Amino acid sequence: EAGVTQFPSHSVIEKGQTVTLRCDPISGHDNLYWYRRVMGKEIKFLLHFVKESKQDESGMPNNRFLAERTGGTYSTLKVQPAELEDSGVYFCASSQGGGRGPRNEQFFGPGTRLTVL
Amino acid sequence: DAKTTQPTSMDCAEGRAANLPCNHSTISGNEYVYWYRQIHSQGPQYIIHGLKNNETNEMASLIITEDRKSSTLILPHATLRDTAVYYCIVRVLQGGGNKLTFGTGTQLKVEL
Repeated sequence: EAGVTQFPSHSVIEKGQTVTLRCDPISGHDNLYWYRRVMGKEIKFLLHFVKESKQDESGMPNNRFLAERTGGTYSTLKVQPAELEDSGVYFCASSQGGGRGPRNEQFFGPGTRLTVL
Repeated sequence: DAKTTQPTSMDCAEGRAANLPCNHSTISGNEYVYWYRQIHSQGPQYIIHGLKNNETNEMASLIITEDRKSSTLILPHATLRDTAVYYCIVRVLQGGGNKLTFGTGTQLKVEL
């Protein structure tokens, strides 16, 4: 079974440019999450999709970040325009169920390392 | 959200048991304790979780104190590949979702 995949693995862009990160969850997983770790900080939650709907976007830092999940399959996270402080590693995770059950562990992708110059 | 406290780093000899402690003194009665780890340059990996009973799987054992204010993750026979940052996380339920709140974790270094 294929795991969570993310593309690209690395991205280097200049300040003010736009970058789009992609995440393909494990097939059949309705729940998709985005997290990120910026330099020297802890891994932080960004948002949570259930199928194509945003369940929780409380962690999105500002309106330069836009996440979508078309058709409830893959998801994209767009940063426009990118700023220096957006540099870090962006992780995607998926889980089969959600809600209040404790057994729905999240499977993480390898992350996308974003560098904004 | 219940907060967790973990040592910054620990060392362990290969083949020995690694015991990683975690304090979560403000945990609520319906919150679970989860453990994840992150091996360098990879995404976090689920290890084990529990509510109040001790749990064991193929990767590790989880010992939770009776008052649930602390727990210990045990890797029974640590190998070099177990070198990673280990995160103790108390499950947050918000809006029906399961976001994970990561702390600073414990950097475990397994040496020969």
